Amino acid sequence: KNQVEQSPQSLIILEGKNCTLQCNYTVSPFSNLRWYKQDTGRGPVSLTIMTFSENTKSNGRYTATLDADTKQSSLHITASQLSDSASYICVVNLSGGYNKLIFGAGTRLAVHP
Amino acid sequence: DSGVTQTPKHLITATGQRVTLRCSPRSGDLSVYWYQQSLDQGLQFLIQYYNGEERAKGNILERFSAQQFPDLHSELNLSSLELGDSALYFCASSPGLAGDAGANVLTFGAGSRLTVL
Repeated sequence: KNQVEQSPQSLIILEGKNCTLQCNYTVSPFSNLRWYKQDTGRGPVSLTIMTFSENTKSNGRYTATLDADTKQSSLHITASQLSDSASYICVVNLSGGYNKLIFGAGTRLAVHP
Repeated sequence: DSGVTQTPKHLITATGQRVTLRCSPRSGDLSVYWYQQSLDQGLQFLIQYYNGEERAKGNILERFSAQQFPDLHSELNLSSLELGDSALYFCASSPGLAGDAGANVLTFGAGSRLTVL
């Protein structure tokens, strides 16, 4: 069964600290993996997208890594800010000539002053 | 503003009723996707259209239907509403088919919050 599991479910950190969010997937065949940020009550916004041949991709203070062999990805947030408080969603795209995105349930991050 | 416009932003209705949610994709995008997000749940894919044609179907109930018009805007029709249909409904668009191209990033709208009483 194609699944995307994220951990932790929720996380609280202090402003300025770093954190790492995890994503494990069992999706096959794999095309690409995306990380989205979703503020409460708003639509998700794309942070990174990686194909199976990419190991890391950065977007400002966000750095995503991908290990296609172990089917694991992580999102590292550096020097967190209050505005980083949001849900972070890992999305895996099936390949095979059709579109299907498998969404993880997300990690809810709260950054406290 | 993401460029994807959804209306209405909020909608409150009663069980058994029918509602229509509307989505205008980002300029130039041909694909439109509909997702349902229940409280504290992940996004559930409902249906995708590409240039007016249905391309993929997810866990969409028979009571729900959608279409994409020649001007590329899309509507999601929800009928015989039940309490459990209360959710955020998101529309997203992409230039093409978000598959092997890899670069097809989905742009999401702000969502329509449906409350069924």
